[in-house]
Amino acid sequence: GAVVSQHPSRVICKSGTSVKIECRSLDFQATTMFWYRQFPKQSLMLMATSNEGSKATYEQGVEKDKFLINHASLTLSTLTVTSAHPEDSSFYICSASVNKGTEAFFGQGTRLTVV
Amino acid sequence: AQKITQTQPGMFVQEKEAVTLDCTYDTSDQSYGLFWYKQPSSGEMIFLIYQGSYDEQNATEGRYSLNFQKARKSANLVISASQLGDSAMYFCAMRNGGGFKTIFGAGTRLFVKA
Repeated sequence: GAVVSQHPSRVICKSGTSVKIECRSLDFQATTMFWYRQFPKQSLMLMATSNEGSKATYEQGVEKDKFLINHASLTLSTLTVTSAHPEDSSFYICSASVNKGTEAFFGQGTRLTVV
Repeated sequence: AQKITQTQPGMFVQEKEAVTLDCTYDTSDQSYGLFWYKQPSSGEMIFLIYQGSYDEQNATEGRYSLNFQKARKSANLVISASQLGDSAMYFCAMRNGGGFKTIFGAGTRLFVKA
């Protein structure tokens, strides 16, 4: 299957700092990528849809100024958690599909801890 | 609105036995896809199996099969000959046929006993 690489896998940062998470499609071009957040023992909550060359579409209740998404190329989307606080600590995971209707391939996920 | 429901928070199965994980869905779309993913403790999401809404036959992938009952809007995952490595979280998911957006159920944690 297609490969999606997410980096870093783990990050610890201080409150008030910003953290950037990268999501790359390694062997295909992805015009659309998705960012999810997962709390412990819970399901994946869709945060936003990242569109190459245009603004991201955020789900209701997700602060777009807090979670900045940039999809500058067909193989890279980034999620920046700005002015991070302990409540932003979570598992963040991205996905991309080769074509519409086919399975989504996921990155390895990033475990963010804000101290 | 689309919705995925997994009513089993946890399931136990004896090694080498079969287990069924339940999933029901709700959508007004005629074209859609149903997926099952496995998430081990490492956090990665592993694609297991796919069923299209127009597929007449149930999907199978090795030890995984999807029991698709369209009229009941259910898409249960059957794992045959369970292995210890099958212990993980399992998520049922759905996507509109014309798009990329995928929604997930709450998940079922499967425990395989030796």
